[in-house]
Amino acid sequence: GNSVTQMEGPVTLSEEAFLTINCTYTATGYPSLFWYVQYPGEGLQLLLKATKADDKGSNKGFEATYRKETTSFHLEKGSVQVSDSAVYFCALGTGNQFYFGTGTSLTVIP
Amino acid sequence: DTAVSQTPKYLVTQMGNDKSIKCEQNLGHDTMYWYKQDSKKFLKIMFSYNNKELIINETVPNRFSPKSPDKAHLNLHINSLELGDSAVYFCASGLLERDEQFFGPGTRLTVL
Repeated sequence: GNSVTQMEGPVTLSEEAFLTINCTYTATGYPSLFWYVQYPGEGLQLLLKATKADDKGSNKGFEATYRKETTSFHLEKGSVQVSDSAVYFCALGTGNQFYFGTGTSLTVIP
Repeated sequence: DTAVSQTPKYLVTQMGNDKSIKCEQNLGHDTMYWYKQDSKKFLKIMFSYNNKELIINETVPNRFSPKSPDKAHLNLHINSLELGDSAVYFCASGLLERDEQFFGPGTRLTVL
């Protein structure tokens, strides 16, 4: 079946620190992979996506590479800001069905 | 110009009541979804409709009944509300042939 396993939080970093949030998946077929971000009190927003192996999604300084050999889609950012504090969700999409990870809460302190 | 909108944003009600949450999308998408997010932020899909037809119906109590009057709307009606129904409910929409979903702002339901 399809599933997503995401690094548990919460994660607390100082401003300008390097961020990695791990995400691995199991899937039948060839899914698309996503990172969504949820800011406090808001809905989920698409942060980035990759639709096939070796694709790199990037947005707002965040990056993730679709690694078929390790079934991973880790989220990275070189220098986090206070405004990046949010909950991050890894997701796998196969047509009409999405599978979300449990979310990782990130707090960035000045 | 809101893409996916939900009403109400907050809903506080007593156990045993019946309530509805409305969702509308103006993106021209053919598929709409309802998700439940619990207090630990875990997201679970409840229903999915494609062109007004139910295509996903996860294990959800039959007190929950979705209704899709047209492709742009998917409403969620909940009968006999229970304490455990307290959560944030998110509506989302997408195109079936594209692996992407757009989420509404959520409705925080509190059952007292």
